[in-house]
Amino acid sequence: SQQGEEDPQALSIQEGENATMNCSYKTSINNLQWYRQNSGRGLVHLILIRSNEREKHSGRLRVTLDTSKKSSSLLITASRAADTASYFCATASGSTLTFGKGTMLLVSP
Amino acid sequence: DTAVSQTPKYLVTQMGNDKSIKCEQNLGHDTMYWYKQDSKKFLKIMFSYNNKELIINETVPNRFSPKSPDKAHLNLHINSLELGDSAVYFCASSHWESPLHFGNGTRLTVT
Repeated sequence: SQQGEEDPQALSIQEGENATMNCSYKTSINNLQWYRQNSGRGLVHLILIRSNEREKHSGRLRVTLDTSKKSSSLLITASRAADTASYFCATASGSTLTFGKGTMLLVSP
Repeated sequence: DTAVSQTPKYLVTQMGNDKSIKCEQNLGHDTMYWYKQDSKKFLKIMFSYNNKELIINETVPNRFSPKSPDKAHLNLHINSLELGDSAVYFCASSHWESPLHFGNGTRLTVT
């Protein structure tokens, strides 16, 4: 079955820097979604990009999708300590949403 | 108001016991899900319900059974608990094929 794979597994940066996380998947998708999970909490949806879209923005977030390479990236600009969390990509194919293993982002003040 | 709420937040129990986790959503969504997150944070879908019908059932042991009394509730029953069932279980809801809204999880520890 398809599965998003994020890299890196962990990322440590300073406040103000940009953070880039990548996601690769294996089969065709309807859309790709990014979620954030703070420690001890549930996942929160960040952004959805459809298979016919190449780039999408939401505030400090920028997502790209390359269906030919079956990959996506999430860029967080001007990071803040509050951005510290795990970030997951999820690929939607039909009614199924499959999550990757996540990237743990640590933003130090 | 909490959109997706699940109880209890923590559940510690012994092997062989039967337990239930409750989930309620007040978002008017038509689909509800149960996910299991293991110690490495890998999320795996267990079940989803759409209009009170089970539509996805991954290779989950039949000791796990979802019960949906109405569109706003999807409870998870687990029989004969095993050590390997220890994990965080998340309930989620959505409109069909739309982004998911998650509860805050139930951390199950089987001793």
